[in-house]
This record gives sequence, structure tokens and C-alpha cells, in this order.
Amino acid sequence: GQNIDQPTEMTATEGAIVQINCTYQTSGFNGLFWYQQHAGEAPTFLSYNVLDGLEEKGRFSSFLSRSKGYSYLLLKELQMKDSASYLCAVSSGTYKYIFGTGTRLKVLA
Amino acid sequence: DAGVTQSPTHLIKTRGQQVTLRCSPISGHKSVSWYQQVLGQGPQFIFQYYEKEERGRGNFPDRFSARQFPNYSSELNVNALLLGDSALYLCASSLRGVSEAFFGQGTRLTVV
Repeated sequence: GQNIDQPTEMTATEGAIVQINCTYQTSGFNGLFWYQQHAGEAPTFLSYNVLDGLEEKGRFSSFLSRSKGYSYLLLKELQMKDSASYLCAVSSGTYKYIFGTGTRLKVLA
Repeated sequence: DAGVTQSPTHLIKTRGQQVTLRCSPISGHKSVSWYQQVLGQGPQFIFQYYEKEERGRGNFPDRFSARQFPNYSSELNVNALLLGDSALYLCASSLRGVSEAFFGQGTRLTVV
């Protein structure tokens, strides 16, 4: 079967660092994506990993290990506006993304 | 440059009715995908169209159908609506099948 697991909810403090983990088992793999989704809004693209290693983009970094079926999203210098759901998605085959259920991050002052 | 646009933004329908949702992709994008997102869950893949052909279908009943027009816009149709069809329907466009997807704001469908 195809499965993506990520924690349901996380809480962190403003200014801190938080790591959101994602493990996946899919029949195909063409890349792993992270999206941010604020309540009531559409998902917005954060990062894309297709090769093993770390991709850094400002305060956000994403890591991939294909052999372990594992990725994480690292958010540094947390801000209140980072409170949102973070969706891990695997591109499986050519035509679709498989999404996890999302991790709801609460940033506290 | 306009992003992905979806219409309508909100819709209330009665059980048994039919609904059509519309999506215009980003200019130059030839791939359109549809997702259903139930509250508290991640988006679930429904269809993908590329160059006006269906390239992928998720695990949804035949009541769900879609098409893509020559200008790459797309429609999602749902027949015989059930209460469980209430969800946010998201359209995403991308340059090709596997690349960064840009999502529209979604259509919030409520079936009563």
C-alpha cells in the first residue's frame, strides 16, 4: 500500500526551531514536497527534494533520505505567522501527489 | 500574473443534486489536478489531466468526472451528491505532471 505518516500536532515557542518528520511508503517516487496550509486557505509550496540531502531556503530547510523513506522539514526562528498545517506529499508516478494528513503547528508567544 | 483560479468559492447543494466546479490554471501550465480535502485531513487525489487527456484517477466513485478544455481549463463534475462529498475541492496546476504544483483557493462544497 501507499502511506505517508507525519505527527498530527506540534507546539513550539516563537524564536525556536522545530522539526516536522515525515515517513513514507509508496510504490513509486519522483520527489517529496512540503506545503504550508493556513486554515481555510490553499496549500502553498515550500520545498522539493528528489535527491538525498538537505535543501535550504531561508528559514526553512528540508531533508530527504530515500533509502529510509524519511524526510523532515526544519523551521528556524519561528514566528507567529508560521502557525499552520504542514503537508508532506510524495509524487508517486507521473501523475499524482500522495499527501499525508498534515501536521498542525502551533507557535506560542 | 494570475494564479490558479477556481469558481465558485463556496457552494451549498442538496443531496442527490449535481455540481460543476471550474478551474483555470496558471498561464502556460498544461497539467491540472483535482483534490478533495476533508476538514482535518490532507488533500486526496481525484484526477489529473495533462494536454487534455486523463492521466491519473484516484480512488473515487464514478459519480466523479472531469475534463480539460483546449485552453487547459478544467471542470470537475460530481453527480448524485452525498453528505460525505462535503469538502474543500482544490485544483492544482503545474507545468508538467511531476513538478511543483500551484493550488487555487479551492471551492468549499457543502451538501445538506
